[in-house]
Amino acid sequence: GAVVSQHPSWVICKSGTSVKIECRSLDFQATTMFWYRQFPKQSLMLMATSNEGSKATYEQGVEKDKFLINHASLTLSTLTVTSAHPEDSSFYICSANQGAEQYFGPGTRLTVT
Amino acid sequence: DAKTTQPPSMDCAEGRAANLPCNHSTISGNEYVYWYRQIHSQGPQYIIHGLKNNETNEMASLIITEDRKSSTLILPHATLRDTAVYYCIVRTYNQGGKLIFGQGTELSVKP
Repeated sequence: GAVVSQHPSWVICKSGTSVKIECRSLDFQATTMFWYRQFPKQSLMLMATSNEGSKATYEQGVEKDKFLINHASLTLSTLTVTSAHPEDSSFYICSANQGAEQYFGPGTRLTVT
Repeated sequence: DAKTTQPPSMDCAEGRAANLPCNHSTISGNEYVYWYRQIHSQGPQYIIHGLKNNETNEMASLIITEDRKSSTLILPHATLRDTAVYYCIVRTYNQGGKLIFGQGTELSVKP
């Protein structure tokens, strides 16, 4: 299957700083990517749909000014958590569509201290 | 997208078949049934999908009832590495379609 990578795999940052997470489709082009968040012992929660060349579509309750998404190319989408706080500590996972299939990255664990 | 209902947890003995049920009674005619699994602290992994016919691949088999209101994922010979949370999701088969995850079934394969 297709491969999606994320960088970094884990990050620790101080409260108030911003963190950027990259999501890349390694062997295919993806016009649409998705960003999920997962808290311990919970399911994945869709945050937003990232569309190449246009603005992202955010799910209800997700602050677009706090979670900035940029999909500047067909192989790269970035999620920036701005002014991070401890409650933003979570496992962030991206995915990308190849045709009708959706492939997931390995996730990025963010810890805000 | 239609919602699904899965048991929160199941146990299976190593080497035996694991049968994971899923109810999707409100599924629409153009919606497929997808199965993903997530091993602890990893991204979800695609397993299989189907519309109305039974499907089989190298990982699993998918049995969909004739009325399409429920399905069963079968892992024919479960191993310890199959311990994971299994998600049943229904969605339309189109590019850009988002996946909405439910709570899934936590499968524990025991020696």
